[in-house]
Amino acid sequence: EDKVVQSPLSLVVHEGDTVTLNCSYEVTNFRSLLWYKQEKKAPTFLFMLTSSGIEKKSGRLSSILDKKELFSILNITATQTGDSAVYLCAVGDAGTALIFGKGTTLSVSS
Amino acid sequence: DSGVTQTPKHLITATGQRVTLRCSPRSGDLSVYWYQQSLDQGLQFLIQYYNGEERAKGNILERFSAQQFPDLHSELNLSSLELGDSALYFCASSVTDGANYGYTFGSGTRLTVV
Repeated sequence: EDKVVQSPLSLVVHEGDTVTLNCSYEVTNFRSLLWYKQEKKAPTFLFMLTSSGIEKKSGRLSSILDKKELFSILNITATQTGDSAVYLCAVGDAGTALIFGKGTTLSVSS
Repeated sequence: DSGVTQTPKHLITATGQRVTLRCSPRSGDLSVYWYQQSLDQGLQFLIQYYNGEERAKGNILERFSAQQFPDLHSELNLSSLELGDSALYFCASSVTDGANYGYTFGSGTRLTVV
């Protein structure tokens, strides 16, 4: 059965800290891995990764994929209270629906 | 505003009742996906429609059904509701048949069954 596992499930840090969120997956026909940020309601898109070793960056956020070891990490540097959210990892396989992990809840205290 | 519209935003109903959730996809998107999000299960895929046809089914209960209309909006019907059906129901849309390139979520409908 295809699955996506995220760790840790929750994390509490202080403003300015750097955090690393993990996502491992087992899917039959991998096509892409996506990261979403969910605050109050709708998940919003952060990154899509399809190739190993190529880092995607957006401001203080970055992500990389390792297709050999079947995992991805999401890094957030110099965290701010606005980074507090649930971060979701999802994998697209040859089927049509994204498979989501349960998410990592990040709390950033000031 | 993501461009995906879901109504209603909140719904409170009694066990045994039937409700209909509505979703209008982003302009130009042909695929609509329905997901259920509960605290312990995360985002669970229910069903997908592409240009009016059912494309894929996930863990959708027999008490639940959906359809996509010619104008591409979609409705998710939940019947014989149970307390355990209380959750956040998301609709998402994408241009293509496949979700491999991600999709855009609506803001969800929070269903509370009492």
